[in-house]
Amino acid sequence: GEDVEQSLFLSVREGDSSVINCTYTDSSSTYLYWYKQEPGAGLQLLTYIFSNMDMKQDQRLTVLLNKKDKHLSLRIADTQTGDSAIYFCAESMGTGRRALTFGSGTRLQVQP
Amino acid sequence: DVKVTQSSRYLVKRTGEKVFLECVQDMDHENMFWYRQDPGLGLRLIYFSYDVKMKEKGDIPEGYSVSREKKERFSLILESASTNQTSMYLCASRITGTGVGYTFGSGTRLTVV
Repeated sequence: GEDVEQSLFLSVREGDSSVINCTYTDSSSTYLYWYKQEPGAGLQLLTYIFSNMDMKQDQRLTVLLNKKDKHLSLRIADTQTGDSAIYFCAESMGTGRRALTFGSGTRLQVQP
Repeated sequence: DVKVTQSSRYLVKRTGEKVFLECVQDMDHENMFWYRQDPGLGLRLIYFSYDVKMKEKGDIPEGYSVSREKKERFSLILESASTNQTSMYLCASRITGTGVGYTFGSGTRLTVV
C-alpha cells in the first residue's frame, strides 16, 4: 500500500528558513498536500501541488516536487513563532473516492 | 466556508462501553472520512463513506463501525471501547470530483479508562 514518511521534529530560529521533507511510495499519486495543525486544532490545508508540477510558490511557502525520487518538500521563508505547529504531508489519487494518506507529521519548533 | 462539526471536543469513556462519535458537515459533500491521530503515526484512515448508506474500510477498521443514514452526518461507533482506542479522532469531508477541498473538523479527544 501507500506509504508517506516524514522526519518527526525540526527546530529553527525565528527569521530562518524551514525545510520540511517528505517521501512517498505511490507513483500514481495525483495530488500532494501540506497540512498544518496548531495545538488543539484540526488540520488546515496550507498548500497542494499536482503531480505534473515541479514547484509551487505561495507567499512564504515554496513546495518542491521531485517525482523521480518521490520526494516532496515544504520551505517556509522567514519562519515566525506562529509557524510552530505539526506539518503533515499527504497524498491522494485525486478525484476518485480515495482518501488522503498522511505522513507521521513533523513538529516544527521556532525558537525566538 | 464549509464547516465540519464534531459534536464532542473531549470524551472519557469506560472500557466496554459503546461509544458514538458524531460528525456533521453543512455543504452537501458526498465523501466523509474518519481518521485517528496518534503521536508519531500521523493520521490513519478508519472508514470512509462516498455517499449515504455507503461505506468502505480504511487501513485500521478493526474495533470500529460507521453509520451514514443522512448525507450530512457520519457517525463512528466503537462497539466495545478499549484502552488502545484512546486517541484523537478527526472527521473530514469533501465533494467527489475534486482533488482538493478536504475540510477537517477540530477533532474529538477520546480517553478510554
